Amino acid sequence: AQRVTQPEKLLSVFKGAPVELKCNYSYSGSPELFWYVQYSRQRLQLLLRHISRESIKGFTADLNKGETSFHLKKPFAQEEDSAMYYCALKNYGGSQGNLIFGKGTKLSVKP
Amino acid sequence: GAVVSQHPSRVICKSGTSVKIECRSLDFQATTMFWYRQFPKQSLMLMATSNEGSKATYEQGVEKDKFLINHASLTLSTLTVTSAHPEDSSFYICSAWYSGGAMSFGPGTRLTVL
Repeated sequence: AQRVTQPEKLLSVFKGAPVELKCNYSYSGSPELFWYVQYSRQRLQLLLRHISRESIKGFTADLNKGETSFHLKKPFAQEEDSAMYYCALKNYGGSQGNLIFGKGTKLSVKP
Repeated sequence: GAVVSQHPSRVICKSGTSVKIECRSLDFQATTMFWYRQFPKQSLMLMATSNEGSKATYEQGVEKDKFLINHASLTLSTLTVTSAHPEDSSFYICSAWYSGGAMSFGPGTRLTVL
C-alpha cells in the first residue's frame, strides 16, 4: 500500500540555521510527491511539487528514488517559516487521484 | 487562481441534527472533489471522493448514510452530516485538482456537535 512517513513530529531550529524536514514514501511506481504548508489558522497551501523542481520561499526538495525520500530543505530558516509541513503522495490505488498525507512535521523557528 | 471555498467556516449544532457543508471551486471546474477530515494535531484523512454526475466513493470505515455527498455541479459539492453526534466533531476540508497540476484546498469547516 502507498504510504508517506514523516518521522519528526516537531522540529525546532534557530533563525538562520539549516532545516531539513524528512519524508519517505512507499510506492513501487513513479511517484508524484508534494509538500504542503499550513500556517496557523490558514488552509493548506502548496509549497512544492517534485515535477516542477522549483524553489519556493527558499525551500527545495529532491526526489531520491533509491532512498524513496523527498526531504524538504532550506539553508537558512526564517521565523515566518514556522508552520506545519505535510508531505503528500498522489494515490494511484483504490481512491485514485487523492493525496495521501504524512502525519506532518511542526517546524518552529526560534529568534 | 484555483481557489476553493467552504461554507460555513464553523458550525455548532445539537446532537441529532444534520449539518450541510458546501465546497465550491471559485475559478475552475472540478469533476472530482475530495473530502478530508482532520482531527486536532493530526493529519488529513480522506473520507470520500465526490464525483460530478455520479455517486461518491467512500473510504473504508466511513458511513455513506451518515456522510451524504452530493456533487451538484462542476463547481459545487456538499457534505451533509446526518444525525450528528459529538464524535463527529472535527475539521472537514475539501479539495480539488486544478489545471496547474496540484491540489487546492478549502479553508475547512469546524464542526462542533454538542
